[in-house]
Amino acid sequence: DAKTTQPPSMDCAEGRAANLPCNHSTISGNEYVYWYRQIHSQGPQYIIHGLKNNETNEMASLIITEDRKSSTLILPHATLRDTAVYYCIVRPAYSGAGSYQLTFGKGTKLSVIP
Amino acid sequence: NAGVTQTPKFRVLKTGQSMTLLCAQDMNHEYMYWYRQDPGMGLRLIHYSVGEGTTAKGEVPDGYNVSRLKKQNFLLGLESAAPSQTSVYFCASSYGGPLQYFGAGTRLSVL
Repeated sequence: DAKTTQPPSMDCAEGRAANLPCNHSTISGNEYVYWYRQIHSQGPQYIIHGLKNNETNEMASLIITEDRKSSTLILPHATLRDTAVYYCIVRPAYSGAGSYQLTFGKGTKLSVIP
Repeated sequence: NAGVTQTPKFRVLKTGQSMTLLCAQDMNHEYMYWYRQDPGMGLRLIHYSVGEGTTAKGEVPDGYNVSRLKKQNFLLGLESAAPSQTSVYFCASSYGGPLQYFGAGTRLSVL
């Protein structure tokens, strides 16, 4: 699996857009970029995923560079409830067998400031 | 639609005691997982199941057993609890692949 690199921490003012970067320069052609977050003391929560096109859902937008070596998760209007650790994971969508163990690195601790 | 439900939410055990953690999902997912998370660390896979009646070992299976008698339920058992098993345990389910849905966790302390 491709390795990912994320900044350890970021601050964002409440109401502003939070842009969380992820570097995945060794990503393979069949690997997707997945984003999860973990709010303190809660279970990880799936946010969004994408292959090469930009994606948007009710929670966030995902921008993937044309060479797919990096991506940015965008929370358009950050709230205090968005304070969490955000994880970028690169994995094939489905390989037909075996475990799909999610390996959460250290992620980015996002602090939304009032 | 409850998603993934874990019971209990908290438990304190004495060394050597046994217990079972229950995970239930109502999304008709084939895959289910048990992870543990220690303070300041990422999740580590204990056991997983790719369907009813199947189980397989993950990264850290020692000291744990699992069963998947019904598709919607995945049980994690500790036969003889040890202080090293003090952790937060998360269950997850999925159709297959990295898009997984997690429960709220069970906080276990072994004294």
